[in-house]
Amino acid sequence: EAGVVQSPRYKIIEKKQPVAFWCNPISGHNTLYWYLQNLGQGPELLIRYENEEAVDDSQLPKDRFSAERLKGVDSTLKIQPAELGDSAVYLCASSLDIAGGPETQYFGPGTRLLVL
Amino acid sequence: GIQVEQSPPDLILQEGANSTLRCNFSDSVNNLQWFHQNPWGQLINLFYIPSGTKQNGRLSATTVATERYSLLYISSSQTTDSGVYFCAVQGGSYIPTFGRGTSLIVHP
Repeated sequence: EAGVVQSPRYKIIEKKQPVAFWCNPISGHNTLYWYLQNLGQGPELLIRYENEEAVDDSQLPKDRFSAERLKGVDSTLKIQPAELGDSAVYLCASSLDIAGGPETQYFGPGTRLLVL
Repeated sequence: GIQVEQSPPDLILQEGANSTLRCNFSDSVNNLQWFHQNPWGQLINLFYIPSGTKQNGRLSATTVATERYSLLYISSSQTTDSGVYFCAVQGGSYIPTFGRGTSLIVHP
């Protein structure tokens, strides 16, 4: 079974440019997470989807960040315009959550973003 | 939201040594996971353990939910165990919260 797939793996852009990250979760997983990880810290949730509905997006800076999960499968995270402080690793994870509560999260390899 | 504290922040061991990593959390949780982030940045599941004890080879974990802590035990450590170990919890809101991690270096 394939794991969580993310692309690109690395991205270097100049500030004020737009950038987009793509995530394909594990087949059948209904919950998808986007995280941001700064150096030396744990991942921080940006947005959580249950199927195609964004259910937790309070941490997403909505003035410049947007996300979508069409048809409840793949997801795209976009930054426009990028700022120097957005340099970080962007992680995607998925899980198969059942009625009893959240289940094991599986992470993709991440996208390393450098904004110059 | 739930606060998660991990200790120690850094740990240096000789190969073959044993260690215990701790995760304290500030409220009741529905989910607790331990992850290993390898030097290439990949987060790997170790345990899904909201309560009780589990073992997988040289690793084991115990969560005492009523006292709001979890322990990860590593026995007979190997150089491949090096990396950062994260504890992550989800409470009633299902919003995941990670600790800052324990950075482990195992010397040959």
